[in-house]
Amino acid sequence: DAKTTQPPSMDCAEGRAANLPCNHSTISGNEYVYWYRQIHSQGPQYIIHGLKNNETNEMASLIITEDRKSSTLILPHATLRDTAVYYCIVSKGGSQGNLIFGKGTKLSVKP
Amino acid sequence: GAGVSQSPRYKVAKRGQDVALRCDPISGHVSLFWYQQALGQGPEFLTYFQNEAQLDKSGLPSDRFFAERPEGSVSTLKIQRTQQEDSAVYLCASSLGGARGYTFGSGTRLTVV
Repeated sequence: DAKTTQPPSMDCAEGRAANLPCNHSTISGNEYVYWYRQIHSQGPQYIIHGLKNNETNEMASLIITEDRKSSTLILPHATLRDTAVYYCIVSKGGSQGNLIFGKGTKLSVKP
Repeated sequence: GAGVSQSPRYKVAKRGQDVALRCDPISGHVSLFWYQQALGQGPEFLTYFQNEAQLDKSGLPSDRFFAERPEGSVSTLKIQRTQQEDSAVYLCASSLGGARGYTFGSGTRLTVV
C-alpha cells in the first residue's frame, strides 16, 4: 500500500499558485519524498524530490515540514498544461527505490 | 536518445498469444524498472534491473511474466499465454541510480481480446 495520503482532486485557477498537500506520517529517516505527475496518455513525469530541506527547481517547489510528516508541492503559476494527476511518493531511492504509487491528486487548472 | 523509448505503442493480442514489449532506456542509465498501470489506477511495480542483473521481480503477477536485460541496456518484458486481465499500460522507467528521479517512457498499451 502507498505510504502517502493525498486529496483525490483539486481545482486551481490559471495563473494562480497550486498547492498540493501530502501526508506521510510513517516516513522513515532515510526515505525521500518524490513528486511525479501524469498527464493523460503519457508516462509519469518526475517533478522534484527532497529529504529534509525545501527544494526548488524550474518546475516547482517542495516544502517539507520539520517533522517530515507532510509536504506541499507548489506550482507557482499554474497553466492549463499543468492539469494532471500528481503523485506524492516516499522511497529510499537507489536499488531500494521501487516507487509505490497511490491514487494521487487530480489537479484541474481552469481558465 | 533523449528519452525512454517503448515499442510498440499499442498492441492488441488474442487471448493465449505471447507478446514481447521493448524498452530502450536512456543511454548510461543503470537502473531500469517495469510498471503495470490498469485503467484509472496508479502504476504498479513489476520488476527492477541494475545493469543486466534483475534484482527484484517481486511484482511480477505470475510465472507467465518474464523480463530480461541481457546486455544492461535494452529490456524486454514478455507475457506468455496472455489473458484479459493482462490488459493494461506497461511502463518502463530508467535512472542513473541513487536518489535521482526516474524517466518514464510513454508506455505500451496492451489490449487482450
